[in-house]
Amino acid sequence: GQNIDQPTEMTATEGAIVQINCTYQTSGFNGLFWYQQHAGEAPTFLSYNVLDGLEEKGRFSSFLSRSKGYSYLLLKELQMKDSASYLCAASDSNYQLIWGAGTKLIIKP
Amino acid sequence: ETGVTQTPRHLVMGMTNKKSLKCEQHLGHNAMYWYKQSAKKPLELMFVYNFKEQTENNSVPSRFSPECPNSSHLFLHLHTLQPEDSALYLCASSQDGAGGPYNEQFFGPGTRLTVL
Repeated sequence: GQNIDQPTEMTATEGAIVQINCTYQTSGFNGLFWYQQHAGEAPTFLSYNVLDGLEEKGRFSSFLSRSKGYSYLLLKELQMKDSASYLCAASDSNYQLIWGAGTKLIIKP
Repeated sequence: ETGVTQTPRHLVMGMTNKKSLKCEQHLGHNAMYWYKQSAKKPLELMFVYNFKEQTENNSVPSRFSPECPNSSHLFLHLHTLQPEDSALYLCASSQDGAGGPYNEQFFGPGTRLTVL
């Protein structure tokens, strides 16, 4: 079957760095998406990886290893506004997104 | 209006009621999606429309009925729902039904549905 695993909740300190991991098993693979969802709001797109390696976008970076079925989202210089849920989603052979349950990130001052 | 809009934002209905959720996208996209989001569960894809044609129905009960009159509008018609259908219903759109870069999904704010 198809499955996405990511931690349910993580806590980090303002100004620090946090890494949110995601492992996936899909029928075929057409890329890995990360979305951010603040409480009561819509998910918003953060990043897309289809090739192995690290993609950097400001304070956020995303990494992919296709051979390991593994990705992570790295958030640097954490700010209070980064408190949100982070959703990992893998695109399968039919370009359907298979979603994880999300990782709730709590930032403490 | 910009992006993806959904109405109503909140809906309370009884099990015998009939109601409809509306989604509109102003992005010129050709694919639209309905998702169900329940607490602490992954987003569940319900329906996909690509160029107004339904391309995906993920074994959704018939009490949910989608309608896509054009590429900009998507409806979800609800009737005889059950309390377990209470959830956040999200609409999304993308350039088309394929994946890849520059084809990410843009989400509306959702309709919080409560079935009594």
